[in-house]
Amino acid sequence: QVQLVQSGAEVKKPGASVKLSCKVSGYSLTDLFIHWVRQAPGKGLEWIGGFDPEDGGTINAQTMQGRVIMTDDTSTEAAYMELTSVTSDDTAVYYCATVSCSSGNCYFEYWGQGTLVTVSS
Amino acid sequence: DIQMTQSPSSLSASVGDRVSISCRASQSIGTYLHWYQQKPGKAPKLLISASSSLQSGVPSRFSGSGSGTDFTLTITSLQPEDFATYYCQQSYSSRITFGQGTRLEIK
Repeated sequence: QVQLVQSGAEVKKPGASVKLSCKVSGYSLTDLFIHWVRQAPGKGLEWIGGFDPEDGGTINAQTMQGRVIMTDDTSTEAAYMELTSVTSDDTAVYYCATVSCSSGNCYFEYWGQGTLVTVSS
Repeated sequence: DIQMTQSPSSLSASVGDRVSISCRASQSIGTYLHWYQQKPGKAPKLLISASSSLQSGVPSRFSGSGSGTDFTLTITSLQPEDFATYYCQQSYSSRITFGQGTRLEIK
C-alpha cells in the first residue's frame, strides 16, 4: 500500500518561495509519478502539475507556468514542489498524489494528507 | 484547456435517496474521466476511474457512466457517509482539469 506523507504547514510572505515535500513509503519512488493539486480555502481542486508517465518529464498547468519547480530524490524517496514568487492567491492546501494509468487513462490513486500554505504579510 | 462543468453545484438529499451528478467536458474526452469524493479536511478519494470502473473497496451503490462529453455519477440508496463533495477530473489532455465540485448535503 502506497503512503504519502507531506511536510508541515508553512507561512510565507508575499514574494517568497516555498518548498513542500512528499515522502513515499510502501513503494519505490522510481516506479511512481507524483503530481501536485491544490485547494484554496472553500474552493475546488486545482491541478498544479507533475511528472508525465509518458516521458518522465514534468508538465504544469499554464496558470502556474514558470513558478513551479518539481523534483524528486530517490535516495530519500521524496518528491518536492517549489513555488516561487507567492502571493495571497497561493494560500491553499497543497496535496501530492500518485498517478496511475490503465491503457493510458491516468488518475490520482493515492494522496498525501495535504500541507497548508498561508501567504500573508 | 479542457473545461469540466459539473451540475448541480450543490444538492440536498435524504438517506436512502438515489442521486445523480453530471459532468460535462468542453470537448470529447472519450472515457478519460474520473470521479473523486472529498470530505471536509480530508484528501480526495478516488471512487471511479475511466468513467465506470469502480475502485476496489468502493461500495457498489456508486456507479459511473458516459463517454465523449457527458458523464454521470450515480449513488443509489444514499448512506450518511456519502454526504461529501464530489469532483470529476479529465485526463484526456495532459493538462489535467477538475470540475468545480458538487456538494451533496443532507436534507
